[in-house]
Amino acid sequence: NAGVTQTPKFRVLKTGQSMTLLCAQDMNHEYMYWYRQDPGMGLRLIHYSVGEGTTAKGEVPDGYNVSRLKKQNFLLGLESAAPSQTSVYFCASSQGLAVEQFFGPGTRLTVL
Amino acid sequence: KQEVTQIPAALSVPEGENLVLNCSFTDSAIYNLQWFRQDPGKGLTSLLLIQSSQREQTSGRLNASLDKSSGRSTLYIAASQPGDSATYLCAVRWTDKLIFGTGTRLQVFP
Repeated sequence: NAGVTQTPKFRVLKTGQSMTLLCAQDMNHEYMYWYRQDPGMGLRLIHYSVGEGTTAKGEVPDGYNVSRLKKQNFLLGLESAAPSQTSVYFCASSQGLAVEQFFGPGTRLTVL
Repeated sequence: KQEVTQIPAALSVPEGENLVLNCSFTDSAIYNLQWFRQDPGKGLTSLLLIQSSQREQTSGRLNASLDKSSGRSTLYIAASQPGDSATYLCAVRWTDKLIFGTGTRLQVFP
C-alpha cells in the first residue's frame, strides 16, 4: 500500500496564478484533510472531508477550495495564489474523526 | 481558547540518554492525543495515540502518558539513538477540532 500520496512535491507560482494539489489514499478512509505548516505556527487545518462528495471548512479556509469527487482523492485548489500562501501543504486521511491520522509527504509551494 | 504548547522548542542530548518531551494543553475535555515524528522535509509519522480514557501507551522504546486533569502529556524515549533525531509533534483533539503543537526539535549526537 502506498498510503497517502501527494502531487506535486514542489511548485513555484507567480502571484495570481492558479493550481491544484492532488491527494490520494489507498486505505479506503472516509475522512481526508488538508493542512498547511508554517514556521513557528504548527499545522493548521484548511479544509476537510467526511466522505465522498462532502467538504467542510477548517481553521484557515480563505483563498482555497477543495473537492472530493472520489473517495480516494481530495483536491486542494488555489484560484489566485498570493505570497501569504507560501507554505508546506500536507494531506492526511483517517477512518474516523477521532482516530489516528495518516499523513502524506507534503507539497512545498512558493508563491512569488 | 484551546491551545497546545510544546516546550522546549529544541533539545540536544548525547546518545544513550533517556529523555522526556512535554506537551501541555488547555481545556481538559479532550477526545485523544497523538504524538508524531517529522523528519526534515518529510511528512508526519504517527507514533502513539492515547484516548482520553487511557493513561499511557507504549511502543518499543517510546512511552506516552496522559494526565488530563493537569493538561499534560509526556513522550518518554528510552536509550536515545542518533536515528531518533527529528521533530516531535503532539496533536490534541477536542470534539471536531485537532490542534497541533509547534513541536520539539530533537538532536541525538553520538
